[in-house]
Amino acid sequence: QKEVEQDPGPLSVPEGAIVSLNCTYSNSAFQYFMWYRQYSRKGPELLMYTYSSGNKEDGRFTAQVDKSSKYISLFIRDSQPSDSATYLCATHQAGTALIFGKGTTLSVSS
Amino acid sequence: DAGVTQSPTHLIKTRGQHVTLRCSPISGHKSVSWYQQVLGQGPQFIFQYYEKEERGRGNFPDRFSARQFPNYSSELNVNALLLGDSALYLCASSLGPPPQETQYFGPGTRLLVL
Repeated sequence: QKEVEQDPGPLSVPEGAIVSLNCTYSNSAFQYFMWYRQYSRKGPELLMYTYSSGNKEDGRFTAQVDKSSKYISLFIRDSQPSDSATYLCATHQAGTALIFGKGTTLSVSS
Repeated sequence: DAGVTQSPTHLIKTRGQHVTLRCSPISGHKSVSWYQQVLGQGPQFIFQYYEKEERGRGNFPDRFSARQFPNYSSELNVNALLLGDSALYLCASSLGPPPQETQYFGPGTRLLVL
């Protein structure tokens, strides 16, 4: 079993839709959870960073962590064509390297 | 301010050759990490350097090596290239030792091994 599982999609939605992106992880010791956005032919860009369980909101983006079910989510409200990218979840425990999911490719059509 | 820069942007090599990839961190950042991203996969950790010392190594063969220079720039070297080494190689820098410190990624070097 991979440490971080993420459905690669692709996911296609119309402009204005609410997007839900999800990952599961296997190691209960993971404490830090991140979402990165990667545009084509670019490096990943950090979107959201959360520690332990709970919600974090930043503009149109909300990150959720449920440690009891080992489930990580990213919600995008009022999606825009500029949100079209690959979204990578990542996690780690203290002192260890980042472990990434495969990434989900999102396409938002106008 | 300039972000993380990597050179070259693209590279084509043949099997058995050697390659050197270069990374310049954001000014003031003392830590550099290297990742390999194969098409359709997430980045996979290769090395981490902080203050010129190796702080972590991923599950990669000894053909992969790296170093960090006094100006905090870094090189990733890969010997005896295999077809499976074809990937996007990403460099990330942070102020202090990751992963607690936010890592900022460069655009990557796209390596194709024929």
